[in-house]
Amino acid sequence: EDQVTQSPEALRLQEGESSSLNCSYTVSGLRGLFWYRQDPGKGPEFLFTLYSAGEEKEKERLKATLTKKESFLHITAPKPEDSATYLCAVNSNSGYALNFGKGTSLLVTP
Amino acid sequence: KAGVTQTPRYLIKTRGQQVTLSCSPISGHRSVSWYQQTPGQGLQFLFEYFSETQRNKGNFPGRFSGRQFSNSRSEMNVSTLELGDSALYLCASSLSGAEAFFGQGTRLTVV
Repeated sequence: EDQVTQSPEALRLQEGESSSLNCSYTVSGLRGLFWYRQDPGKGPEFLFTLYSAGEEKEKERLKATLTKKESFLHITAPKPEDSATYLCAVNSNSGYALNFGKGTSLLVTP
Repeated sequence: KAGVTQTPRYLIKTRGQQVTLSCSPISGHRSVSWYQQTPGQGLQFLFEYFSETQRNKGNFPGRFSGRQFSNSRSEMNVSTLELGDSALYLCASSLSGAEAFFGQGTRLTVV
């Protein structure tokens, strides 16, 4: 059975203090790993898709990387507007469902 | 380009009633998935439709059902509502079932 574990559950950073969020996964054949951002009361907003180990994607202050067992979302010099819950999900060869982790709640203070 | 539209945004229902939620996908997207989000369980997959056919179903009771129309719009139905069905129901659309784009969700409260 596919499993996705995100850590830490919550993270508090000062503005400008860079850090990384972790997503560990076990799947029966990875079809894709996805990162989303979710603000309170809203639907998840798509950030990145990673397909194979060694792949990296960047968008503004965010950079996602992928290995055979985990993915990292690096946040460089975060701003208060980066505060949100970041969700990791995997899609495997077993079907078309996204299997989500519980998310990391990020708070960036001025 | 219009995003995924879900209606209604909020619903309050009584135990035992049934409810229908609607989702209009991004134009051109033929895959529509439904998810339930609760504080305790997070996001859980309900089912996925592609060209009016259900391709995948999650581990939810038969009270949860869905369908997709020829224009790719989708509906999900929950019958005999229970208190535990209170959740944010999210619809996502994609071209083929890979990268999924979510709507704002329908907040269902069962009292």
